[in-house]
Amino acid sequence: NAGVTQTPKFQVLKTGQSMTLQCAQDMNHNSMYWYRQDPGMGLRLIYYSASEGTTDKGEVPNGYNVSRLNKREFSLRLESAAPSQTSVYFCASLGRLYYEQYFGPGTRLTVT
Amino acid sequence: LAKTTQPISMDSYEGQEVNITCSHNNIATNDYITWYQQFPSQGPRFIIQGYKTKVTNEVASLFIPADRKSSTLSLPRVSLSDTAVYYCLVYTGGFKTIFGAGTRLFVKA
Repeated sequence: NAGVTQTPKFQVLKTGQSMTLQCAQDMNHNSMYWYRQDPGMGLRLIYYSASEGTTDKGEVPNGYNVSRLNKREFSLRLESAAPSQTSVYFCASLGRLYYEQYFGPGTRLTVT
Repeated sequence: LAKTTQPISMDSYEGQEVNITCSHNNIATNDYITWYQQFPSQGPRFIIQGYKTKVTNEVASLFIPADRKSSTLSLPRVSLSDTAVYYCLVYTGGFKTIFGAGTRLFVKA
Protein backbone atom coordinates (compact mmCIF):
# COMPACT_ATOMS: atom_id res chain seq x y z
CA ASN A 1 0.00 0.00 0.00
CA ALA A 2 1.28 3.45 -0.89
CA GLY A 3 -0.78 5.14 1.84
CA VAL A 4 -1.39 8.81 1.02
CA THR A 5 0.26 10.20 -2.09
CA GLN A 6 0.50 13.83 -3.17
CA THR A 7 1.49 15.42 -6.45
CA PRO A 8 3.44 17.46 -7.23
CA LYS A 9 6.16 17.47 -4.57
CA PHE A 10 7.32 20.97 -5.48
CA GLN A 11 5.74 23.80 -7.42
CA VAL A 12 6.59 27.41 -8.17
CA LEU A 13 3.79 29.68 -9.35
CA LYS A 14 3.57 33.31 -10.33
CA THR A 15 0.99 35.50 -8.65
CA GLY A 16 -2.38 35.03 -10.31
CA GLN A 17 -1.68 31.58 -11.74
CA SER A 18 -3.88 28.64 -10.86
CA MET A 19 -3.09 25.06 -10.03
CA THR A 20 -4.52 21.91 -8.50
CA LEU A 21 -2.83 19.82 -5.85
CA GLN A 22 -3.69 16.16 -6.08
CA CYS A 23 -4.09 13.73 -3.20
CA ALA A 24 -5.00 10.06 -3.23
CA GLN A 25 -5.23 7.35 -0.57
CA ASP A 26 -5.45 3.60 -1.01
CA MET A 27 -6.60 2.69 2.52
CA ASN A 28 -10.34 2.90 1.81
CA HIS A 29 -10.73 5.72 4.34
CA ASN A 30 -13.88 7.81 4.35
CA SER A 31 -12.50 11.14 5.57
CA MET A 32 -9.79 13.28 4.04
CA TYR A 33 -8.13 16.59 4.91
CA TRP A 34 -6.07 19.42 3.49
CA TYR A 35 -3.71 21.41 5.72
CA ARG A 36 -1.16 24.12 5.17
CA GLN A 37 2.00 24.58 7.21
CA ASP A 38 3.86 27.87 7.03
CA PRO A 39 7.58 27.92 7.90
CA GLY A 40 8.14 27.28 11.60
CA MET A 41 4.41 27.09 12.27
CA GLY A 42 1.81 24.49 13.08
CA LEU A 43 -0.69 23.02 10.66
CA ARG A 44 -3.91 24.79 9.81
CA LEU A 45 -6.96 23.09 8.36
CA ILE A 46 -8.05 24.38 4.95
CA TYR A 47 -10.87 22.00 4.02
CA TYR A 48 -11.97 18.54 4.95
CA SER A 49 -14.25 15.88 3.56
CA ALA A 50 -15.97 13.74 6.15
CA SER A 51 -17.18 11.31 3.50
CA GLU A 52 -17.41 10.97 -0.26
CA GLY A 53 -19.69 13.68 -1.60
CA THR A 54 -19.22 16.12 1.26
CA THR A 55 -16.74 18.92 1.88
CA ASP A 56 -16.52 21.52 4.64
CA LYS A 57 -14.45 24.58 5.39
CA GLY A 58 -11.70 24.53 7.94
CA GLU A 59 -9.87 27.35 9.64
CA VAL A 60 -8.34 28.98 6.52
CA PRO A 61 -10.46 28.23 3.42
CA ASN A 62 -10.22 31.59 1.65
CA GLY A 63 -8.50 31.38 -1.73
CA TYR A 64 -8.99 27.62 -2.05
CA ASN A 65 -11.50 25.21 -3.46
CA VAL A 66 -11.67 21.44 -3.09
CA SER A 67 -13.16 18.49 -4.90
CA ARG A 68 -13.77 15.06 -3.45
CA LEU A 69 -13.56 13.30 -6.78
CA ASN A 70 -14.29 9.84 -5.36
CA LYS A 71 -13.50 7.95 -2.19
CA ARG A 72 -9.78 7.82 -3.01
CA GLU A 73 -9.08 11.32 -4.28
CA PHE A 74 -9.35 14.78 -2.74
CA SER A 75 -7.92 17.72 -4.69
CA LEU A 76 -7.15 21.28 -3.65
CA ARG A 77 -7.33 24.13 -6.15
CA LEU A 78 -5.82 27.57 -6.02
CA GLU A 79 -7.69 29.71 -8.52
CA SER A 80 -5.47 32.79 -8.35
CA ALA A 81 -2.32 32.18 -6.37
CA ALA A 82 -0.99 34.85 -4.00
CA PRO A 83 2.39 35.08 -2.23
CA SER A 84 0.55 34.54 1.07
CA GLN A 85 -0.23 31.01 -0.13
CA THR A 86 3.42 30.06 -0.13
CA SER A 87 3.45 27.09 2.19
CA VAL A 88 3.76 23.33 2.51
CA TYR A 89 0.47 21.59 1.86
CA PHE A 90 -0.34 18.29 3.50
CA CYS A 91 -3.14 15.93 2.66
CA ALA A 92 -4.31 13.34 5.18
CA SER A 93 -6.88 10.60 5.52
CA LEU A 94 -8.56 9.43 8.71
CA GLY A 95 -8.32 5.81 9.77
CA ARG A 96 -11.40 3.81 10.64
CA LEU A 97 -10.73 2.56 14.15
CA TYR A 98 -9.03 5.43 15.95
CA TYR A 99 -8.71 9.14 15.45
CA GLU A 100 -5.50 8.49 13.54
CA GLN A 101 -4.72 10.57 10.48
CA TYR A 102 -2.28 9.35 7.86
CA PHE A 103 -0.38 12.17 6.21
CA GLY A 104 1.10 12.44 2.76
CA PRO A 105 4.65 13.69 2.14
CA GLY A 106 3.51 17.23 1.37
CA THR A 107 3.68 19.66 -1.55
CA ARG A 108 6.04 22.60 -1.19
CA LEU A 109 4.47 25.56 -3.00
CA THR A 110 6.16 28.88 -3.65
CA VAL A 111 4.23 31.81 -5.11
CA THR A 112 6.34 34.65 -6.44
CA LEU B 1 -14.67 25.93 19.34
CA ALA B 2 -11.67 24.40 21.08
CA LYS B 3 -8.43 26.39 20.90
CA THR B 4 -5.16 24.80 21.92
CA THR B 5 -2.04 26.14 23.62
CA GLN B 6 1.29 24.35 23.97
CA PRO B 7 4.76 25.38 25.16
CA ILE B 8 6.92 26.49 22.26
CA SER B 9 9.93 24.37 23.15
CA MET B 10 11.40 21.98 25.70
CA ASP B 11 14.84 20.53 26.31
CA SER B 12 15.59 17.15 27.82
CA TYR B 13 18.38 14.63 28.20
CA GLU B 14 18.49 11.11 26.95
CA GLY B 15 16.83 8.63 29.30
CA GLN B 16 14.59 11.19 30.97
CA GLU B 17 10.81 11.21 30.96
CA VAL B 18 9.29 14.16 29.09
CA ASN B 19 5.82 15.57 29.71
CA ILE B 20 4.27 18.00 27.23
CA THR B 21 0.98 19.65 28.17
CA CYS B 22 -1.63 21.08 25.83
CA SER B 23 -4.39 23.36 27.09
CA HIS B 24 -7.78 23.18 25.37
CA ASN B 25 -10.03 25.20 27.64
CA ASN B 26 -13.04 25.34 25.33
CA ILE B 27 -13.18 21.64 24.61
CA ALA B 28 -16.69 20.31 24.05
CA THR B 29 -18.22 17.09 25.28
CA ASN B 30 -17.80 15.24 21.99
CA ASP B 31 -14.32 16.52 21.15
CA TYR B 32 -11.48 14.01 20.98
CA ILE B 33 -7.77 14.54 21.72
CA THR B 34 -4.83 13.18 19.74
CA TRP B 35 -1.08 13.80 19.60
CA TYR B 36 1.31 13.77 16.65
CA GLN B 37 5.05 13.83 16.07
CA GLN B 38 6.66 15.63 13.15
CA PHE B 39 10.23 15.45 11.85
CA PRO B 40 11.61 18.06 9.43
CA SER B 41 10.34 17.72 5.85
CA GLN B 42 7.84 15.02 6.80
CA GLY B 43 4.13 14.87 7.50
CA PRO B 44 3.00 14.44 11.10
CA ARG B 45 2.78 10.93 12.47
CA PHE B 46 0.13 9.74 14.94
CA ILE B 47 1.29 8.94 18.46
CA ILE B 48 -1.75 8.45 20.68
CA GLN B 49 -5.40 9.37 21.17
CA GLY B 50 -7.76 9.63 24.12
CA TYR B 51 -10.99 11.03 25.53
CA LYS B 52 -10.41 11.06 29.30
CA THR B 53 -8.28 9.47 32.04
CA LYS B 54 -5.10 7.69 30.97
CA VAL B 55 -4.19 5.87 27.79
CA THR B 56 -0.92 4.05 27.21
CA ASN B 57 0.57 2.46 24.13
CA GLU B 58 4.01 1.15 23.25
CA VAL B 59 5.55 4.59 22.76
CA ALA B 60 3.70 7.07 25.00
CA SER B 61 1.06 7.76 27.61
CA LEU B 62 -1.67 10.35 27.51
CA PHE B 63 -3.17 11.83 30.67
CA ILE B 64 -6.46 13.71 30.49
CA PRO B 65 -7.99 15.09 33.71
CA ALA B 66 -11.67 14.86 34.47
CA ASP B 67 -12.43 18.41 33.26
CA ARG B 68 -10.62 17.63 29.96
CA LYS B 69 -9.31 21.19 29.70
CA SER B 70 -5.78 19.92 29.17
CA SER B 71 -3.92 16.83 28.14
CA THR B 72 -0.37 15.71 28.84
CA LEU B 73 1.71 13.59 26.53
CA SER B 74 4.32 11.57 28.42
CA LEU B 75 7.33 10.13 26.62
CA PRO B 76 9.26 7.67 28.80
CA ARG B 77 13.05 7.54 28.55
CA VAL B 78 13.54 9.75 25.50
CA SER B 79 16.39 9.21 23.07
CA LEU B 80 18.08 11.52 20.57
CA SER B 81 15.71 10.25 17.87
CA ASP B 82 12.76 11.71 19.79
CA THR B 83 13.93 15.21 18.88
CA ALA B 84 10.97 16.49 16.90
CA VAL B 85 7.94 18.77 17.07
CA TYR B 86 4.94 17.43 18.99
CA TYR B 87 1.41 18.61 18.29
CA CYS B 88 -1.85 18.14 20.08
CA LEU B 89 -4.80 17.86 17.72
CA VAL B 90 -8.39 18.19 18.84
CA TYR B 91 -11.29 16.81 16.83
CA THR B 92 -14.04 19.33 17.34
CA GLY B 93 -17.62 18.86 16.21
CA GLY B 94 -16.94 15.46 14.73
CA PHE B 95 -14.39 15.61 11.91
CA LYS B 96 -13.14 19.19 12.07
CA THR B 97 -9.64 19.47 13.56
CA ILE B 98 -7.64 22.08 15.46
CA PHE B 99 -3.87 21.67 15.65
CA GLY B 100 -1.83 23.17 18.43
CA ALA B 101 1.12 25.35 17.44
CA GLY B 102 3.51 22.56 18.37
CA THR B 103 6.20 21.98 20.99
CA ARG B 104 9.73 21.63 19.73
CA LEU B 105 11.47 18.97 21.85
CA PHE B 106 15.26 18.85 21.78
CA VAL B 107 16.87 15.81 23.38
CA LYS B 108 20.50 16.16 24.37
CA ALA B 109 23.07 13.44 24.96
